[in-house]
Amino acid sequence: GAVVSQHPSWVICKSGTSVKIECRSLDFQATTMFWYRQFPKQSLMLMATSNEGSKATYEQGVEKDKFLINHASLTLSTLTVTSAHPEDSSFYICSASWVMDQPQHFGDGTRLSIL
Amino acid sequence: DAKTTQPNSMESNEEEPVHLPCNHSTISGTDYIHWYRQLPSQGPEYVIHGLTSNVNNRMASLAIAEDRKSSTLILHRATLRDAAVYYCILESYNAGGTSYGKLTFGQGTILTVHP
Repeated sequence: GAVVSQHPSWVICKSGTSVKIECRSLDFQATTMFWYRQFPKQSLMLMATSNEGSKATYEQGVEKDKFLINHASLTLSTLTVTSAHPEDSSFYICSASWVMDQPQHFGDGTRLSIL
Repeated sequence: DAKTTQPNSMESNEEEPVHLPCNHSTISGTDYIHWYRQLPSQGPEYVIHGLTSNVNNRMASLAIAEDRKSSTLILHRATLRDAAVYYCILESYNAGGTSYGKLTFGQGTILTVHP
């Protein structure tokens, strides 16, 4: 089946550091990728929709200057958490779809801990 | 986005069938019903989806009420690996049959499977 790979799977860093998370579709071309955030014991919250070659669309309340998204190719989207602070600690998950009406395929998530 | 309502938790015994209900009384005619599940510390996994007719795949069956205001995910023989949070999600499509792509996750149902 379709596979989405996310890297790194976990990262611990100091406050003020910028962290980049990669999301790759391994066996299909993903025209659209989605980035979610999940706090402990809560559900997934959509942060932004990333379309290849264009600017990402952010959900209300998500700071676009804080969470930089780049979707430069059909197989790779990156999320950069800039100047991360402890409140940014969360489980970040990406998903991808090669056709908009097909099920989304999710990565295994990146656990980000900011000290 | 149309909202879904699911029980917070359900329990089952191994090898017994499990019926996970979902209410979506405000569903529109172009909304597909999707089910995903999430195991601990992993990204969600697609289970099944449908529009009007009941659907079967290797993982589960989806029974959709005639008025489409509710649906039931059926796991025919629960295993310990089926213990997860199950999300019932409505995915909106436009009149041309193209998905808007956004999945809005609710709190889901925590399924516990006893040996």
